[in-house]
Amino acid sequence: DQQVKQNSPSLSVQEGRISILNCDYTNSMFDYFLWYKKYPAEGPTFLISISSIKDKNEDGRFTVFLNKSAKHLSLHIVPSQPGDSAVYFCAVVIGKLVFGQGTRLTINP
Amino acid sequence: ETGVTQSPTHLIKTRGQQVTLRCSSQSGHNTVSWYQQALGQGPQFIFQYYREEENGRGNFPPRFSGLQFPNYSSELNVNALELDDSALYLCASSFSGPYTEAFFGQGTRLTVV
Repeated sequence: DQQVKQNSPSLSVQEGRISILNCDYTNSMFDYFLWYKKYPAEGPTFLISISSIKDKNEDGRFTVFLNKSAKHLSLHIVPSQPGDSAVYFCAVVIGKLVFGQGTRLTINP
Repeated sequence: ETGVTQSPTHLIKTRGQQVTLRCSSQSGHNTVSWYQQALGQGPQFIFQYYREEENGRGNFPPRFSGLQFPNYSSELNVNALELDDSALYLCASSFSGPYTEAFFGQGTRLTVV
């Protein structure tokens, strides 16, 4: 039973454009969410977080939006750069981390 | 400040054997967690240790066991290896608490043949 879902296995975006990665969750009690980026042969790297008391959090080119009524969060990357090509995971913190399946983002020159 | 390091980076074992994977936590972190990542999937929680005690376990059989040492480093042990245990094993360290990020090591790629 998947508590966190990333329904797009892959996404291709042109360099300089906006990348939008989506994530849905099942439990309205979840209140702290993280995004990680993973390159091949490396562990996941923490990108950005958001708690349920906010609906937006920004860090440079990265912005996470939280829609509690829809149980949906999204990560926006603007502008997208070739180095952003990686697998992105959303996760909820419930003592442990529960991850989505990941979305492979490819930035095309 | 040192990051999370894992050893070895790659390992090949035969079905039925036992394996020990090691993790050094990030300086100052008191909680370590282990995750299994199968190909094409997100990491799955195995268990977590806080101050040398297991304080959470995922849906993994008892042949997956662990230890946390006083310096907060950790081991993951897997007995009676099965082919399906082939995966990337990730160690993550963090401060205890509900609103903290976990920082991951580079992982150990285990192949069971």
